[in-house]
Amino acid sequence: GAVVSQHPSWVICKSGTSVKIECRSLDFQATTMFWYRQFPKQSLMLMATSNEGSKATYEQGVEKDKFLINHASLTLSTLTVTSAHPEDSSFYICSARHDSGYGYTFGSGTRLTVV
Amino acid sequence: DQQVKQNSPSLSVQEGRISILNCDYTNSMFDYFLWYKKYPAEGPTFLISISSIKDKNEDGRFTVFLNKSAKHLSLHIVPSQPGDSAVYFCAASRGRGNTPLVFGKGTRLSVIA
Repeated sequence: GAVVSQHPSWVICKSGTSVKIECRSLDFQATTMFWYRQFPKQSLMLMATSNEGSKATYEQGVEKDKFLINHASLTLSTLTVTSAHPEDSSFYICSARHDSGYGYTFGSGTRLTVV
Repeated sequence: DQQVKQNSPSLSVQEGRISILNCDYTNSMFDYFLWYKKYPAEGPTFLISISSIKDKNEDGRFTVFLNKSAKHLSLHIVPSQPGDSAVYFCAASRGRGNTPLVFGKGTRLSVIA
């Protein structure tokens, strides 16, 4: 149980275009989804906390107008990288808390390459 | 400010021996700690966790030790296997609410056959 499905697993886009990443909780309701970014050989850095039905909370230094987060339902949160640039190339991962134990479930991640 | 620190970027261990991965934290409000294994371009895989009310938790080959006074935890893998080769992340959280995990920078473990 407690599976988070993340799509796409990888995407290549042209500079200036937008990319949407989806995370779905398949067998539980995720009132809160966390979005992380990982640069090569670096830690997973929290970008924002996505709350169902309300605005996301962004970490310091993360541009909310560039990384649009929508959490319209209890099972779906999306991250849209707008006007992507090569420096946005990274590995993006979502995560949700679930009531099974004290668990955090992660998506499989999205490798974004902006060319 | 790095609240969770893994000071060893890499570790090499002979197959069959013990692997010890270390993690330090600075935030005394953290009350739950987790270890994840991660391969490139994949999401983290949960290994083992420990609550701050305990000092040890064991699951098969994996044991996590917590020293609250030193704000230090360690993951022991014994015996180490080549399939254990991956990057291991230490993570911490505060409370049972919807708070995010804070990750260390990871330690790359290489188990040599």
